[in-house]
Amino acid sequence: EAAVTQSPRNKVAVTGGKVTLSCNQTNNHNNMYWYRQDTGHGLRLIHYSYGAGSTEKGDIPDGYKASRPSQENFSLILELATPSQTSVYFCASGDLLGGGEQYFGPGTRLTVL
Amino acid sequence: TQTVSQSDAHVTVFEGDSVELRCNYSYGGSIYLSWYIQHHGRGLQFLLKYYSGNPVVQGVNGFEAEFSKSDSSFHLRKASVHWSDSAVYFCAARRGSALGRLHFGAGTQLIVIP
Repeated sequence: EAAVTQSPRNKVAVTGGKVTLSCNQTNNHNNMYWYRQDTGHGLRLIHYSYGAGSTEKGDIPDGYKASRPSQENFSLILELATPSQTSVYFCASGDLLGGGEQYFGPGTRLTVL
Repeated sequence: TQTVSQSDAHVTVFEGDSVELRCNYSYGGSIYLSWYIQHHGRGLQFLLKYYSGNPVVQGVNGFEAEFSKSDSSFHLRKASVHWSDSAVYFCAARRGSALGRLHFGAGTQLIVIP
């Protein structure tokens, strides 16, 4: 049974619109992460969280907000979507003191027109 | 600057061949290293990790990786590949103090010809 789920799996948005990507994990991990994946860039960290109520900026946070209302849920919010945010977004969870082991969701493909 | 580099964007081999996927890092101090696999259209899956001890670590499905401090490397190997090993492989690293933040390489696409 999938331990990290994402919704929606596919999303088409218009420029300037608001987009919310949701992530749920049943691993009971403290840490959660949002990445985007683009050809030639690998995975880049957008925001992450150490637990409910906390959010931290990753390497490319501009244009994104994050929300961690509970241990299980972590959302990524694009207040004003732009075509440059067209990408595949992955959520992951991991232990706070883990040795690098993260568990990934299936991804959300976002297209901003 | 902390970087993880994977020098080969693509590697093509025949089924049954051995393969080595290369990863080099530039970090100081203690470091965690790991490898992930991504099949087409899927999320990443953890393969193996190294922090200390035996520099050769075993992972799932016959994969192993060897850490070398002198070469700043953590190459992934498999003795005999199967067509189902075709995927993109990512090397990742984090500092010992970074509380879970990973830095990923750009990935190597492995193509296994049946």
